[in-house]
Amino acid sequence: AQSVTQLGSHVSVSEGALVLLRCNYSSSVPPYLFWYVQYPNQGLQLLLKYTTGATLVKGINGFEAEFKKSETSFHLTKPSAHMSDAAEYFCAVSGAGGYNKLIFGAGTRLAVHP
Amino acid sequence: NAGVTQTPKFRVLKTGQSMTLLCAQDMNHEYMYWYRQDPGMGLRLIHYSVGEGTTAKGEVPDGYNVSRLKKQNFLLGLESAAPSQTSVYFCASSYLGAREAFFGQGTRLTVV
Repeated sequence: AQSVTQLGSHVSVSEGALVLLRCNYSSSVPPYLFWYVQYPNQGLQLLLKYTTGATLVKGINGFEAEFKKSETSFHLTKPSAHMSDAAEYFCAVSGAGGYNKLIFGAGTRLAVHP
Repeated sequence: NAGVTQTPKFRVLKTGQSMTLLCAQDMNHEYMYWYRQDPGMGLRLIHYSVGEGTTAKGEVPDGYNVSRLKKQNFLLGLESAAPSQTSVYFCASSYLGAREAFFGQGTRLTVV
């Protein structure tokens, strides 16, 4: 069984500040991990993913995430927030088993203020 | 390149009415999914399909049925709509083994 916990339903940062969105997962099999972003009234767009290999993963729009197996974490970071980063962010886990059932966290809404 | 297309985008139903949501993908993906999104609960998997003619239950399947008669289409049916089914519904698809899913734009359903 798999599950995802996102710490903090709302995060607020100043423009130019570090963005840190937290994600912890539980998985009985080696996980594949994802971050998606959702802008208002739109579908979900893949930001980045971890499957195997390098544990530091770079995505679009300057975001990156690090897979830490010992901490069962996959936190999302961006060194300098931009106003356009304001959106809802979802962490998701998929098992390395026979099919791609994606399980999502509850989401974190990021606000960026001037 | 359309990707994943959901029809309709908005719908208002009365309690007890039925409807079908259509999802179509043009990427030749094997896997398709239906999720519902509710405030504070993220996306919850309703049903999914790992290939044409096959379907399986997700986390919240009650009150919904699905069919995948053609590889490119995945239908979600509500036989007797209830206010608790007011939600935004997302369809997604993925390649065999690719893991990440591609999402449609969503269907906002209100049951009154």
